[in-house]
Amino acid sequence: DAGVTQSPTHLIKTRGQQVTLRCSPKSGHDTVSWYQQALGQGPQFIFQYYEEEERQRGNFPDRFSGHQFPNYSSELNVNALLLGDSALYLCASSLVGDYEQYFGPGTRLTVT
Amino acid sequence: AQSVTQLDSQVPVFEEAPVELRCNYSSSVSVYLFWYVQYPNQGLQLLLKYLSGSTLVKGINGFEAEFNKSQTSFHLRKPSVHISDTAEYFCAVSDGSGTASKLTFGTGTRLQVTL
Repeated sequence: DAGVTQSPTHLIKTRGQQVTLRCSPKSGHDTVSWYQQALGQGPQFIFQYYEEEERQRGNFPDRFSGHQFPNYSSELNVNALLLGDSALYLCASSLVGDYEQYFGPGTRLTVT
Repeated sequence: AQSVTQLDSQVPVFEEAPVELRCNYSSSVSVYLFWYVQYPNQGLQLLLKYLSGSTLVKGINGFEAEFNKSQTSFHLRKPSVHISDTAEYFCAVSDGSGTASKLTFGTGTRLQVTL
């Protein structure tokens, strides 16, 4: 049973560019959440998708957007990258109504 | 709004010694509490969770935690640590709203186990 998978593992982008990160949830899960973890910090909630709609959103600007596909996989898009966007981006999946979230290994984004 | 405070950024301990990692939370509603562990260059793994019922919860790898509502705490304990327990530990809280509500994390505690 595959857990949560994320791609790519690492990514280097230049300031001002756009990036797309991908996540496949654990088998049987229908809800995907995204978190940003800056170096030395705890993860911070970006947003959550269920039934292909954004259900909750954290305190992140509109440059951060997402999508969920019919197979429950998800993408995180970040436009106009800033140096401060450099972080580990974690995807977590869960089943609706269940409070236990399973995390993927993350995508390390470096903005230069 | 919810928040989580992890009082110790680093905890050094010798192998086979007991350890306690402290976590305090604030929330205006009922909460669900979690401890996650993060090994270097990896994602988060759930150690244990408190949703309801017994205030003493047992998790994986010999860890346990006690929910104390009056002190708004959820401290993590292990009676005897191993070198392999060296990692970053995060306490998190959820208010239970939404389809599968968001987690609010503390800043983490680095557990360093030495011989």
